Amino acid sequence: GESVGLHLPTLSVQEGDNSIINCAYSNSASDYFIWYKQESGKGPQFIIDIRSNMDKRQGQRVTVLLNKTVKHLSLQIAATQPGDSAVYFCAEITGNQFYFGTGTSLTVIP
Amino acid sequence: DTGVSQDPRHKITKRGQNVTFRCDPISEHNRLYWYRQTLGQGPEFLTYFQNEAQLEKSRLLSDRFSAERPKGSFSTLEIQRTEQGDSAMYLCASSRSTGGKQFFGPGTRLTVL
Repeated sequence: GESVGLHLPTLSVQEGDNSIINCAYSNSASDYFIWYKQESGKGPQFIIDIRSNMDKRQGQRVTVLLNKTVKHLSLQIAATQPGDSAVYFCAEITGNQFYFGTGTSLTVIP
Repeated sequence: DTGVSQDPRHKITKRGQNVTFRCDPISEHNRLYWYRQTLGQGPEFLTYFQNEAQLEKSRLLSDRFSAERPKGSFSTLEIQRTEQGDSAMYLCASSRSTGGKQFFGPGTRLTVL
């Protein structure tokens, strides 16, 4: 049967393809954003962050894009691997407060 | 392993019982946060400490919840008279400074029967 409460957006990609995970944030005053990865049964793990004075930041295999005009954040994962399968959360930070989105469940198909 | 530890990792209790969780942050971090996470949702802020001072509490933190950080190092979160609705993952995070990146512990999963 259907699991009540599990309404995560889901994304399935083939191993080796690029993944794009999107996030809309709500507060135009938010000045710092973080992407976290959460595997089943574990706490969120920091992936990459970006300040509001930037529109792009790159890490190892990951890129975060920030569009302040439409309050949109995206996470791009290059050459997605099975180990990337997890739930991904964006967090917007306003002052001392962290606000997390619902998350996107990424499944990598070998 | 982020360096933030939580104990216990799992707790099963009966409704009406009291439970206490512990968090040990990264040692040089002066900020410590508690969150609650239910299935399919992102973490929800409960409270945070700057050193030993509890600076902010969410409206989610009812009178049955209390958190302490007596020496500015480890913290405890106590839930009194647990209810089934308290069943969730309780996450602790720490950071160096205001608005700095938070590093999360593995969480304590609470099940109230």
